[in-house]
Formats: sequence, structure tokens, C-alpha cells
Amino acid sequence: DVKVTQSSRYLVKRTGEKVFLECVQDMDHENMFWYRQDPGLGLRLIYFSYDVKMKEKGDIPEGYSVSREKKERFSLILESASTNQTSMYLCASRDSNYGYTFGSGTRLTVV
Amino acid sequence: GIQVEQSPPDLILQEGANSTLRCNFSDSVNNLQWFHQNPWGQLINLFYIPSGTKQNGRLSATTVATERYSLLYISSSQTTDSGVYFCAVYKAAGNKLTFGGGTRVLVKP
Repeated sequence: DVKVTQSSRYLVKRTGEKVFLECVQDMDHENMFWYRQDPGLGLRLIYFSYDVKMKEKGDIPEGYSVSREKKERFSLILESASTNQTSMYLCASRDSNYGYTFGSGTRLTVV
Repeated sequence: GIQVEQSPPDLILQEGANSTLRCNFSDSVNNLQWFHQNPWGQLINLFYIPSGTKQNGRLSATTVATERYSLLYISSSQTTDSGVYFCAVYKAAGNKLTFGGGTRVLVKP
């Protein structure tokens, strides 16, 4: 089975901090994704990457950046955390035969 | 963009009951997946089912791509089936997975 690992289940950060959320997959997938999930708004795509060093903006990229230096690792960066970025963050990788696999999620609180 | 609608939005079941969840989508898609989000927030992949029928234990799913809908069947429900069930569709153009609003299921003992 594909495994997608997110480094933290819960994080509390201060406003203005630079925050790194890490995601690692173990199946050599080319495509990786970052979503955030908020009550009433569902899951929204922030960024995705289809190869090393390649990235594309999703629906809500403002305030975020990403890094993909190695195929297995896709990092989401909050350049200057704000309270409206308090959310559940979900990473996923995609396989053409089995679809998307999601990590366990990171609940980020910005105070 | 593509619209994905799930029904019902909420479902309360007595343990042991059967139920059907529905997912309608507005355009042709390359793939469809059903997920279960557990109380801790993790999205568990239940089925990858662009067309046809699949079964996994007490769960089964059917997608009729030509009519743009999919059904998820839960038989002999258990309390551990509680959570939110999401349907999500994928279109290669745009490399995007679009989620429905989910069906929140509560199974009472």
C-alpha cells in the first residue's frame, strides 16, 4: 500500500512565523498535492506538483508556497502565518492506477 | 468547473442497517473515488471506481459513468462506519480532484 506521511498531526504557531509542513510518499509518484479543509468550505487545492522542482497553483495559493526538491517529498510553506490559515492541511499523492492517497492530516492553529 | 453533489447530507443509522449514498457529477470524468474521513480527520480511500461495481467487505460501490453518478452501499452498518463519506472525481485536464460536500453518517449502537 502507498504510504503518505505528514510530519505533524498538530501544530500551534504564532502569527508572522514561517511554517513548514512536510509530506513524504513512498511509492515514487510523480504527482503530489496540498489541500486545506475548513468547515463549510470543503477541501480546497492549494498547490500541486507533477515532478521534481515543478509546481502549479491550485485554487487558493495566496499566502503559501511549496518546495519539491526530491520526488518523495513535497513541502508546504506558510511564509508569514496568519490566523486565517488555521485549518486542517492534507497532503496527497496520485497514482494513475489507484488514484489519490492522503496523509493523516496536520491540524494547524495560528495564534 | 465540474460540480459534485452528494446526498443525503446527513444520515443516522441504527447499527445493522443498510444504506445507500449517492454522488452526482456534472461532466465526464476520468476517475472517481470514495473516501471515508474518520473522526481524526484522515481520509481513507475506499474505492477507486471510474466505472462498474466493486465490493470490499460490507461496502460496495457502483459508478455509471454514462449517467454521471455513483452509489456507495453500506450493509450491516457498524458504529465504526461513522464519519464523513466523500465522493471525488478526477479530470486529467487540469490534473484536479474535485470533492463533493460529503455525507455525514452516524451509526448508533
